[in-house]
Amino acid sequence: AQSVTQLGSHVSVSEGALVLLRCNYSSSVPPYLFWYVQYPNQGLQLLLKYTSAATLVKGINGFEAEFKKSETSFHLTKPSAHMSDAAEYFCAVSSLITGGGNKLTFGTGTQLKVEL
Amino acid sequence: KAGVTQTPRYLIKTRGQQVTLSCSPISGHRSVSWYQQTPGQGLQFLFEYFSETQRNKGNFPGRFSGRQFSNSRSEMNVSTLELGDSALYLCASSPRLNTEAFFGQGTRLTVV
Repeated sequence: AQSVTQLGSHVSVSEGALVLLRCNYSSSVPPYLFWYVQYPNQGLQLLLKYTSAATLVKGINGFEAEFKKSETSFHLTKPSAHMSDAAEYFCAVSSLITGGGNKLTFGTGTQLKVEL
Repeated sequence: KAGVTQTPRYLIKTRGQQVTLSCSPISGHRSVSWYQQTPGQGLQFLFEYFSETQRNKGNFPGRFSGRQFSNSRSEMNVSTLELGDSALYLCASSPRLNTEAFFGQGTRLTVV
């Protein structure tokens, strides 16, 4: 079984400050990890993915995440927050399933608020 | 390239009715997955289809069903609607197995 824990359902930062959204995963097999962003009344947009290549993954809009196996973590960061980053962020895990599959298990999400 | 298209965007149904939601994947994508999103339960996996075959199924009652057509388009059906079925239903497509998923805008279903 696989699971994802996102610490902090709400995070508030000032514009220009560092963004750090935490994600810890549990998986019995090597995981694939993803971060998605969701704006109000929209679907999910893929920010970045880890699929066992480089442990530091760069995504869109200046976001990046580092896979740390020893800590079972995949935290999302952005050096300087922008007002347009205000949204809900979801961490997700997918593991190789016998026979193949794309089933994603999501965390509960973190609502990011960016203040002036 | 057009993204994942879900229709309709909004839907209001009465308890006991049934509903069919449609999803057109990104061109060339053969895998389609469905998720239910609610404030209380978050994002939950419903099922996944690949080349018209259901490959994975989530923990939902039999009232929830789906299918995929030869052109990879997918539909999901919910019969005997309950108030608790009110949710945002998201469809995602993937080019192959074991890779990232691209989501549509969702269908907002309200059951009254």
